[in-house]
Amino acid sequence: GAVVSQHPSRVICKSGTSVKIECRSLDFQATTMFWYRQFPKQSLMLMATSNEGSKATYEQGVEKDKFLINHASLTLSTLTVTSAHPEDSSFYICSAIKGNRGVETQYFGPGTRLLVL
Amino acid sequence: DAKTTQPPSMDCAEGRAANLPCNHSTISGNEYVYWYRQIHSQGPQYIIHGLKNNETNEMASLIITEDRKSSTLILPHATLRDTAVYYCIVRVVRNNNAGNMLTFGGGTRLMVKP
Repeated sequence: GAVVSQHPSRVICKSGTSVKIECRSLDFQATTMFWYRQFPKQSLMLMATSNEGSKATYEQGVEKDKFLINHASLTLSTLTVTSAHPEDSSFYICSAIKGNRGVETQYFGPGTRLLVL
Repeated sequence: DAKTTQPPSMDCAEGRAANLPCNHSTISGNEYVYWYRQIHSQGPQYIIHGLKNNETNEMASLIITEDRKSSTLILPHATLRDTAVYYCIVRVVRNNNAGNMLTFGGGTRLMVKP
């Protein structure tokens, strides 16, 4: 399978600060990456679709000015949680698509656990 | 969007086959069935996917019924490390050329017991 990495794996920050999470596809290029959020004992919820070279597409209810997404290259997408608050504490997971449309597969990163104090 | 229905939890004895069912009665003809699993505190792991035919790889087998309204993921010899939440997902196709996102349901929590 393909490899997707995330950095950092765990971060603790103070309320009001910003946190950047990186997602990298290590052995393939990904024009599309996705960012998910998962609260304890819940399933993954899609936050946004990250498109290389263009603006991200956000799901309903996700604030684009709070969750800044940049997909500057075919192997890197970043999610910045701006002015983080305790309710933003969650498990953030990215995924990247490998393959041609119709037979593609999404590969997920290991996740980043964010704790906002 | 084709929705999927899975039992919330299942138990399986170590060394036995684990058969995880999934219903997707509203699936469209060009939608694939994907299976992922998520071990606690990790990102989801791709297992297998299929369209019409049964599929097998080093991890599992996927059996899709002829009418495609349901499928079964088979782990032939379950181990303790297979304890995880298993998600059956029918891929949603979007028209904005942004790629195909996955919608996660509740999944099945498989507990492999010694």
